[in-house]
Amino acid sequence: GIQVEQSPPDLILQEGANSTLRCNFSDSVNNLQWFHQNPWGQLINLFYIPSGTKQNGRLSATTVATERYSLLYISSSQTTDSGVYFCAAAPGNQFYFGTGTSLTVIP
Amino acid sequence: KAGVTQTPRYLIKTRGQQVTLSCSPISGHRSVSWYQQTPGQGLQFLFEYFSETQRNKGNFPGRFSGRQFSNSRSEMNVSTLELGDSALYLCASAVGAGHSPLMGYTFGSGTRLTVV
Repeated sequence: GIQVEQSPPDLILQEGANSTLRCNFSDSVNNLQWFHQNPWGQLINLFYIPSGTKQNGRLSATTVATERYSLLYISSSQTTDSGVYFCAAAPGNQFYFGTGTSLTVIP
Repeated sequence: KAGVTQTPRYLIKTRGQQVTLSCSPISGHRSVSWYQQTPGQGLQFLFEYFSETQRNKGNFPGRFSGRQFSNSRSEMNVSTLELGDSALYLCASAVGAGHSPLMGYTFGSGTRLTVV
């Protein structure tokens, strides 16, 4: 299977700061998604982004498929953004997950 | 529309028992995948079903099995439970035309299994 690496593993931000989370994957994929895992364990889909750029409010994501990486941008962070962010890449119909970035936003 | 529904939410079983978890996908979704999440191994793929057929299987022992019904609902079964099977089990569904999911997968809230 492919390798999915996320960085940084941990991130602590002051409320209002911006951040960039990175996801590198080792092979071509036909699906890449970013998820936020809520305290109850559910993976909330943030972006379906096998290539290109998308924006949703304060969040945006960019995937450069040819260079095998994806970035998740969080602007003007809020305490409710805290949690673990996962990148998941699928060369077929099986996701390979990174180990996540644990984000803590402090007021 | 309703999301992916997993039941039960929490479960406690003893070693050696078996357990069955249920997943109802979003209406119209025909692909259902199962994942196991543990602190040590992270999120790992168990299997994926499309139109009642298992399309792909992860690297788990034969004690882990699943099936999908004609209405796309899926169940997974774990027999002879071990302490290490304690985990959050997540189900995801997708429209799943062919081998490429359209518009990505949606996950349920999971079933938290504790084996004692």
